[in-house]
Amino acid sequence: AQSVTQLGSHVSVSEGALVLLRCNYSSSVPPYLFWYVQYPNQGLQLLLKYTTGATLVKGINGFEAEFKKSETSFHLTKPSAHMSDAAEYFCAVSEGGGFKTIFGAGTRLFVKA
Amino acid sequence: EAQVTQNPRYLITVTGKKLTVTCSQNMNHEYMSWYRQDPGLGLRQIYYSMNVEVTDKGDVPEGYKVSRKEKRNFPLILESPSPNQTSLYFCASGRGAGDHYEQYFGPGTRLTVT
Repeated sequence: AQSVTQLGSHVSVSEGALVLLRCNYSSSVPPYLFWYVQYPNQGLQLLLKYTTGATLVKGINGFEAEFKKSETSFHLTKPSAHMSDAAEYFCAVSEGGGFKTIFGAGTRLFVKA
Repeated sequence: EAQVTQNPRYLITVTGKKLTVTCSQNMNHEYMSWYRQDPGLGLRQIYYSMNVEVTDKGDVPEGYKVSRKEKRNFPLILESPSPNQTSLYFCASGRGAGDHYEQYFGPGTRLTVT
């Protein structure tokens, strides 16, 4: 069975600092992995996805994530946080590329001036 | 504009009063799905549909019904709502595989059951 664990329900960084949001997954078949962002009172927006191919994936707004099969991880990073990055971030896995999707509990990112 | 629409966006109702939340997509996607979002739990899949007349249970289907009579529409039905169904609901549609895999979410429907 699939599952997703996001370490840390809240992460706080200073503006300009590195952003690192952790995601570990379990899947019995090759997974598709996703990061979504949710701004207050809005829906989900896809940041980036890993389906096949290159394990380092670049997304929108300067975010990137690396699929590490040996560590079953898909951590999200951004070199320099901006105030506008403050939001909730969700990691998700879809097993074998199907549309049954499991989401993590979410990590709320706070950015301090 | 390619989009997933949900109606209503906000709904307050009472226990036991049947309600329907509509979802429509204009992207000709085969796949559609309903999720609920609760604090600390992320999004949990309620039902999904791989095509017209094909639906399947997600992780939390109890108390919900769906139907897929047309490709573009996927309504969520609560026959007898209860307070534990107070939540934020998202509809999604998608298609493809590999690099062409895509899934789009609607704006959400905030439901309160008193």
